[in-house]
Amino acid sequence: GIQVEQSPPDLILQEGANSTLRCNFSDSVNNLQWFHQNPWGQLINLFYIPSGTKQNGRLSATTVATERYSLLYISSSQTTDSGVYFCAGHPGGGADGLTFGKGTHLIIQP
Amino acid sequence: EAGVAQSPRYKIIEKRQSVAFWCNPISGHATLYWYQQILGQGPKLLIQFQNNGVVDDSQLPKDRFSAERLKGVDSTLKIQPAKLEDSAVYLCASTITYNEQFFGPGTRLTVL
Repeated sequence: GIQVEQSPPDLILQEGANSTLRCNFSDSVNNLQWFHQNPWGQLINLFYIPSGTKQNGRLSATTVATERYSLLYISSSQTTDSGVYFCAGHPGGGADGLTFGKGTHLIIQP
Repeated sequence: EAGVAQSPRYKIIEKRQSVAFWCNPISGHATLYWYQQILGQGPKLLIQFQNNGVVDDSQLPKDRFSAERLKGVDSTLKIQPAKLEDSAVYLCASTITYNEQFFGPGTRLTVL
């Protein structure tokens, strides 16, 4: 199966700062998603982004499928952005269960 | 639109006991997944259903874990007998086939 590497593993920022989270895949993926896991454990969908760039408010994401990586940008961080960010993908085919990275643990301090 | 529903939200059992989890996917979603998330790790796929058929159960520990989706809607995941290392959050997800997956709130299992 594919390997998913996320960096950095931990990130501590002050409120208002910007950040970039990276996700590398060992092989091509057909589906790629970014999630935010809140302190209660709920996985919240941020982006479904197999390729290209998308923006949603202060968050944006870019996937370069040919180079097997994706970036998540968070601008003007707020304390509510704290939590664990996961990227996940699958290579396609009939079995399309997602393979997750280990996540980036983000702490936004007031 | 209602999201993926799971119950119970929390369960505490003794090792060697049995436990079952229930999932109701988003209406119209043909594909349903069960994932296991151990503390500090990303979720790991256990099993994938397409309607009521199994697509992938290669990572399901079949000696103790079983899952079914008899009518192609709701699904149950069972562990029998439970081990200490089964302590985890069990997440259910659903999707229209080959599309964005949506996750339920999960069931947090503690095995003592």
